[in-house]
Amino acid sequence: GAGVSQTPSNKVTEKGKYVELRCDPISGHTALYWYRQSLGQGPEFLIYFQGTGAADDSGLPNDRFFAVRPEGSVSTLKIQRTERGDSAVYLCASSFSGADTQYFGPGTRLTVL
Amino acid sequence: AQRVTQPEKLLSVFKGAPVELKCNYSYSGSPELFWYVQYSRQRLQLLLRHISRESIKGFTADLNKGETSFHLKKPFAQEEDSAMYYCALQRGGSQGNLIFGKGTKLSVKP
Repeated sequence: GAGVSQTPSNKVTEKGKYVELRCDPISGHTALYWYRQSLGQGPEFLIYFQGTGAADDSGLPNDRFFAVRPEGSVSTLKIQRTERGDSAVYLCASSFSGADTQYFGPGTRLTVL
Repeated sequence: AQRVTQPEKLLSVFKGAPVELKCNYSYSGSPELFWYVQYSRQRLQLLLRHISRESIKGFTADLNKGETSFHLKKPFAQEEDSAMYYCALQRGGSQGNLIFGKGTKLSVKP
């Protein structure tokens, strides 16, 4: 079946702009995760959804970052007033439950000029 | 604090040689440990997790709680094993996010 998909695959924006990154998880997966991967680093956790609610948002770096999952499926990561330091690959993963294997999407490469 | 350390950024071996990618972790409880792999131009995918005790593509990993290590091993490396390998930890209870190491790039030369 279809895997996790993310759109757009690449996003270039200017400092100070607002961006939205979308994640479509595998159908039926209740758990959804956002990670951020900077160059030369492993993925770093941002936020974890169980169903519609954020079960753990302790990885969000500051209040410019926000994520939603209103119907328990698609999720959107929103970044306000982007900064050059936000440039990274943003990864989404989903799993059947919090205990199961996490399946990753291809990522969105965000570049803030 | 929970942490995963992969001391080698790059590991280069010849085809047919044994491979060991090191992973050490810091966690006070009983973690779940994973190895993820990312082949060129592909997405991150699970290679193996310690609770399943499987051998995937000839790779094995043993959790050593005394040494807090979860090293990945393969007796005979193949060129198609060339990839980025990430060790990851999930807190006890198998819930929530993964904590990743910085990764090791494995290069298998012909």
